Amino acid sequence: SQQGEEDPQALSIQEGENATMNCSYKTSINNLQWYRQNSGRGLVHLILIRSNEREKHSGRLRVTLDTSKKSSSLLITASRAADTASYFCATDGNAGNMLTFGGGTRLMVKP
Amino acid sequence: DGGITQSPKYLFRKEGQNVTLSCEQNLNHDAMYWYRQDPGQGLRLIYYSQIVNDFQKGDIAEGYSVSREKKESFPLTVTSAQKNPTAFYLCASSSHKTGTQYFGPGTRLLVL
Repeated sequence: SQQGEEDPQALSIQEGENATMNCSYKTSINNLQWYRQNSGRGLVHLILIRSNEREKHSGRLRVTLDTSKKSSSLLITASRAADTASYFCATDGNAGNMLTFGGGTRLMVKP
Repeated sequence: DGGITQSPKYLFRKEGQNVTLSCEQNLNHDAMYWYRQDPGQGLRLIYYSQIVNDFQKGDIAEGYSVSREKKESFPLTVTSAQKNPTAFYLCASSSHKTGTQYFGPGTRLLVL
């Protein structure tokens, strides 16, 4: 079973708008990561947030983590057509570098 | 150029045939992973290896086999026992220090 579940499954917005994606997970974690996947390509790491962090920024990306609710959100500000992709959260457990991926949010940014 | 490569990009399998997908990395990573991705779905772990000459089954190992004879290489064989092999296969590697996984471009396997 998947540790992380993204919400919504699909999101369509206009260029310039903000996009928010949510991830919920079930067990305790050391860190949570967000990855991006363009259609038919491999995944690219975006950002990692540790369990003792509440918020992290990287360029137009903002990630929050609420360990009490076992949830995280990824905010992409001022979206661009090039942000169109699938976004996955991944959590580690107690097994070293093993990650468990959610089902992903498919984001479409219309020009 | 450091990175992780997969070949071929597309692979066709005939019924009853074993096929092998290649994965190579020059990132000096100890850990390597194989994932399967079905259309519109997330990634499911097939096999992983934390160190040379050692590997462990993931969530969906049945019908697959791997080897890890060299640090740089982690080939995946899709055997005839895998009855539904059509999928996108992704290889990844990671350093034990960071936990971030680096992915190859993927191999799409189709059944003739």
